[in-house]
Amino acid sequence: NAGVTQTPKFRILKIGQSMTLQCTQDMNHNYMYWYRQDPGMGLKLIYYSVGAGITDKGEVPNGYNVSRSTTEDFPLRLELAAPSQTSVYFCASSLAGFSTDTQYFGPGTRLTVL
Amino acid sequence: KNEVEQSPQNLTAQEGEFITINCSYSVGISALHWLQQHPGGGIVSLFMLSSGKKKHGRLIATINIQEKHSSLHITASHPRDSAVYICAVLFRSDMRFGAGTRLTVKP
Repeated sequence: NAGVTQTPKFRILKIGQSMTLQCTQDMNHNYMYWYRQDPGMGLKLIYYSVGAGITDKGEVPNGYNVSRSTTEDFPLRLELAAPSQTSVYFCASSLAGFSTDTQYFGPGTRLTVL
Repeated sequence: KNEVEQSPQNLTAQEGEFITINCSYSVGISALHWLQQHPGGGIVSLFMLSSGKKKHGRLIATINIQEKHSSLHITASHPRDSAVYICAVLFRSDMRFGAGTRLTVKP
C-alpha cells in the first residue's frame, strides 16, 4: 500500500493564480482531512470529509474549496492564491473519526505564493 | 488564544535521558493525539488517548481528563527520537493542535 500520496511536492504560484493540490489514499478510509502548517505554528484544519460526497469546513476554510467524489481522492482547490496561503499542506486519512482512530498523513506539499 | 499549549517549546537532552513533554488544553475534549514530525517534515501518529495511559516501546503517553493535561514520556532517549512532537485534541467537530515541542537528543 502506498498510504496517502500528495502531489505536487513543491509549487510556486503567483498572486491570483489557481491550483489544485491532489490527495489520494489506498487504505479505503472513510475520513480525509486537509491541514496547513505555517512556520512555527501548529497545524490547522482546513476541510474534512467523512465519506464520498460529504465535506465540511474546519478552522480555516476561507480561500479553499474541496470535493470528494470518490473514497480515494480528496483534492484541495485554491481559487485566487494569496501570499497568506504560503504554507505546507498536509492531507491525512483515517478509517473512523478523530476521536476513535489514528490518522495517516501524506508527505506534504510546500506552496509558496509570490 | 490557543486551546492547546505545549511545554517546553524546545528540549535538548543527552542520549539515554528520560524525556517528558507536556500538553495542556482549555476545552472539553473526547480524544487527544500525539504526533511525531520528522526533520524531513513527515508526520506520524504515535498515540490516541481518551483516558489513562498507553505504552509503545520506549514511548508512554498519559492523560488526566479532569486536569486537562497529557504527557508524553520517552525512556532511554536516542538521537533518532529527535523530532517535533505535536499534541492535538478534538474540540467540538474540529481538531486543534499545539505548536509542537522540538526535541534534540545528542549522542
